[in-house]
Amino acid sequence: DTAVSQTPKYLVTQMGNDKSIKCEQNLGHDTMYWYKQDSKKFLKIMFSYNNKELIINETVPNRFSPKSPDKAHLNLHINSLELGDSAVYFCASSQALGTGELFFGEGSRLTVL
Amino acid sequence: QQQVKQSPQSLIVQKGGISIINCAYENTAFDYFPWYQQFPGKGPALLIAIRPDVSEKKEGRFTISFNKSAKQFSLHIMDSQPGDSATYFCVPHNAGNMLTFGGGTRLMVKP
Repeated sequence: DTAVSQTPKYLVTQMGNDKSIKCEQNLGHDTMYWYKQDSKKFLKIMFSYNNKELIINETVPNRFSPKSPDKAHLNLHINSLELGDSAVYFCASSQALGTGELFFGEGSRLTVL
Repeated sequence: QQQVKQSPQSLIVQKGGISIINCAYENTAFDYFPWYQQFPGKGPALLIAIRPDVSEKKEGRFTISFNKSAKQFSLHIMDSQPGDSATYFCVPHNAGNMLTFGGGTRLMVKP
């Protein structure tokens, strides 16, 4: 049973479209995250969501918005997609913010044409 | 991100050799020093971690060496194998803060 699962695994779309990536964790963790990994493997934190508190990396454009229907889910919604948004997006979870092991999903590769 | 510097960016080692990756940090409030390993097409996973009250931790072929005064810690992979080929990230942090991964080190172990 997958601890952190993301869907879709691959997403190809046109510039200007809006898309969402879903993430679910079955570990009972309190904190979830979204990371973006570029082609050079640079892994950048985008958001963390902990007990309904959202912490946003200030460099993330406001076209990106996380939505958490409950503690086990943190979805990523992206408006007006741009070419530079092409990357692999990883969802992760941990017991608490900055505490213990981070468990990652397998990633969602987004390609914007 | 400027608080953590990992080196080298890439590393090629022959099978059976020792791989060494270094991590230097500035924030003395960090109290947990993990290394994450990422295989192609997968998410990163915790490999090994150390707390600052010890100077070394060994798990199988993987060892963390920690130098608190120099604010550095390193990952040593003994008897490196092709299956160790991956990207490695040092992610020092303390509780209550988001983990910053950076660019990592791409290790290739040649057969």
